[in-house]
Amino acid sequence: GAGVSQSPSNKVTEKGKDVELRCDPISGHTALYWYRQSLGQGLEFLIYFQGNSAPDKSGLPSDRFSAERTGGSVSTLTIQRTQQEDSAVYLCASSLGTGNQPQHFGDGTRLSIL
Amino acid sequence: SQQGEEDPQALSIQEGENATMNCSYKTSINNLQWYRQNSGRGLVHLILIRSNEREKHSGRLRVTLDTSKKSSSLLITASRAADTASYFCATIGNYQLIWGAGTKLIIKP
Repeated sequence: GAGVSQSPSNKVTEKGKDVELRCDPISGHTALYWYRQSLGQGLEFLIYFQGNSAPDKSGLPSDRFSAERTGGSVSTLTIQRTQQEDSAVYLCASSLGTGNQPQHFGDGTRLSIL
Repeated sequence: SQQGEEDPQALSIQEGENATMNCSYKTSINNLQWYRQNSGRGLVHLILIRSNEREKHSGRLRVTLDTSKKSSSLLITASRAADTASYFCATIGNYQLIWGAGTKLIIKP
């Protein structure tokens, strides 16, 4: 497909486990963003990748969170030792660049920590 | 921290009526964008208005921007049931989009 693809769409795991969330952006989009959205809330910025530049990790809430973007395409968000407060929808978006470019979103991964 | 704040938080209107949502922001911007979100999943970009523009139209959507008041409005005319969704404004200063908490719009048949 031509859109942003995220997997899994739903993930239920036990507290303390590690989880990996995947994002496959639109081909050719150099910018990739991860957001977190709690129920009924707005988007919380987590991390941003732009081309080969060092990522902006300023939104990551703790050192349990990390993300990689391999080959400038697919990105993986990893949460170690999950906590119940990590439960949220994790959204990935990509754009052609930054500034005046709209972001294209995947459908998100709904993460539930038991 | 959130920059944009939408109001109202929730809006319920009859199908066919117009819906107006407002967004206020705090710092200077390059542009302001409006997005729609259905059922708490992915967001869809609706319209982008640049800081030097005052009004923009796209189909049934009309967006205004008042940089002196640091506010924007989104008007949906002749609303339809399919317009039921949450609507978010987002502003961009440097490269990041900073999001409001959204307006939940319900269109009653």
